[in-house]
Formats: sequence, structure tokens, C-alpha cells
Amino acid sequence: DAKTTQPTSMDCAEGRAANLPCNHSTISGNEYVYWYRQIHSQGPQYIIHGLKNNETNEMASLIITEDRKSSTLILPHATLRDTAVYYCIVRANNFNKFYFGSGTKLNVKP
Amino acid sequence: DVKVTQSSRYLVKRTGEKVFLECVQDMDHENMFWYRQDPGLGLRLIYFSYDVKMKEKGDIPEGYSVSREKKERFSLILESASTNQTSMYLCASSLSPGSYNEQFFGPGTRLTVL
Repeated sequence: DAKTTQPTSMDCAEGRAANLPCNHSTISGNEYVYWYRQIHSQGPQYIIHGLKNNETNEMASLIITEDRKSSTLILPHATLRDTAVYYCIVRANNFNKFYFGSGTKLNVKP
Repeated sequence: DVKVTQSSRYLVKRTGEKVFLECVQDMDHENMFWYRQDPGLGLRLIYFSYDVKMKEKGDIPEGYSVSREKKERFSLILESASTNQTSMYLCASSLSPGSYNEQFFGPGTRLTVL
């Protein structure tokens, strides 16, 4: 299963775009990239996922490089409520297991 | 909205006690999961189930067992609690197997074993 590498923490000013990078250089061709976030004292929350193409939903955009070895989650207008730990996950080939790493702690500051 | 509920938010038990953590989902999901979360280690999968009475070991099943007698309920059992099982326990559920089935998580149970 592909491992992911994320920065430990990042800061972002309120109202600005937050760009969270993730490296997954050993990803296999049929593995998806998922992003979840976890706000303090809550369970993880699904944000978005993708395979090859860029994806956008009401929460965020996901940009996956052409070689699929890295991706970036973009929160277009970060708010204080977006302060959380963001996990980049590559779905395991084995059934529905998700491997969560340590994630990136995003601090949105006023 | 999918709702995953866990029986307790906080639990304190003593070493050697048998502990039951209950999880219920209301969206008729096939799959259910138990994770534990520890600082610096992220989430680690303990057990999962893809159908009633079916279970599969995750990455760290030692010291735990599970029970799925009904589709909506998945129980995690600590047969004899130990201090190293002090952790945040998260339950999740998802639809039938597929490449893009997101997992829905409960609020977590913070278990302290004294």
C-alpha cells in the first residue's frame, strides 16, 4: 500500500486559500487519493477523493499531478472553522481499509 | 445524513475489566470499522466487518475482539483491559465494497484504563 507524506503543520490566514500538499510516490495505478479532516474532539470527516483528474466539490478542490505521485488539497477561502488535522490517504488495495498517517495540522489565523 | 453513534464519549475502566464499546449506524451500511487513535500514530485499524457475523483483523487486533450480530451494530470488546489500551476509539461505516466509498465516523470514545 502506498504511503503518504505530509507536512506536520501549516498556517493560513483567514479568507486566503489553504494549499495542503501530499506526496504518495509509490501509489499504484488503481489506488485513489482521499482527503479527510478531523476537527478537535470529533471523528474524521470525508472531504474529497480522486483518481487521476482534478476534482472539486462544495468543500474543496483536489489537484493530482499527472504522474500521480503527489496531490494538493485546496480550501479556497479558509475560515477559522477549517482549523483541523487534514489526512491524505491512499486507499489500500485490500478491501476498504484506509491508512491514516499523522496528517497536517492546519491553523487558520484571523 | 449518515449517523454513526458510539455508546460513550468518555469511559474510565480498571485494568483487567472487560470493556464493551458499542457503535450503531443508521444508513444500512455493509461495512463497519473500529480504529484507535493515538498521538503521533494516527488512526490504526483494529477490526472491520463487511457483513453480519463476518469480521476481519486489521493491523492491531491483539487484545481486542468484535461482534456483529446485527447489521447496524458493531461492538468492540476488550477482554481484559490494560493500560496500553488507553486511547481514543473511533467507529466508522461505509457502503458495500467499492473503490470510492467514503467512511463515516462516529464522535469517538476516549477510554482511560487505570
